[in-house]
Amino acid sequence: EIVMTQSPATLSVSPGERATLSCRASQSVSSNLAWYQQKPGQAPRLLIYGASTRATGIPARFSGSGSGTEFTLTISSLQSEDFAVYYCQQYNNWPRFTFGPGTKVDIK
Amino acid sequence: QVQLVQSGAEVKKPGASVKVSCKASGYTFTSYAMHWVRQAPGQRLEWMGWINAGNGNTKYSQKFQGRVTITRDTSASTAYMELSSLRSEDTAVYYCARESGLGYYGSGSYGYYYYMDVWGKGTTVTVSS
Repeated sequence: EIVMTQSPATLSVSPGERATLSCRASQSVSSNLAWYQQKPGQAPRLLIYGASTRATGIPARFSGSGSGTEFTLTISSLQSEDFAVYYCQQYNNWPRFTFGPGTKVDIK
Repeated sequence: QVQLVQSGAEVKKPGASVKVSCKASGYTFTSYAMHWVRQAPGQRLEWMGWINAGNGNTKYSQKFQGRVTITRDTSASTAYMELSSLRSEDTAVYYCARESGLGYYGSGSYGYYYYMDVWGKGTTVTVSS
């Protein structure tokens, strides 16, 4: 089973600053990785798929990069609505998906 | 608009079963697969299983194998997730999520990106004696 890890667990950032979130897979998942945003009491929202393709309607300040086992989600200039938990998810052994433990982005 | 509407909150006793429904609208139900994902309080998202809504094929997480059954009713555009032998650790929010995909050609080969692009609002299941 592919195990996903994320770091840091919590990231404290000031509005307008850049946030960089990391995701690591226990074995190569190629570019078969997605990122989701979840706010309290809400369902997850798709941000990125294919490691770097933004989903429909996602602002350009969100970008994804990486392949193999190391991935990054970057939020270039944090807005108030971006404070949330971010999950990476691999689908290299589709249809069995695996999520990471999440990174909480909170206000510094 | 495309949406998934889930059934309401449930309270169950240990050992019982729960069946959660997920009604799709705004798209052709049988053209997409559906996943079920759960989230225990303060925990990560956990994949439970998948159904091809077109042909009914299913795949389950090994963790839930034998306890979870995912079905669909194409006439009602609805997917169902039933979890049996409930225990307190099954207390969680259960989500259905539509799977979409996109084919691509790169590095000399074809591939397919999969993602969960539409989610239900979740169904809270509480297991308590």
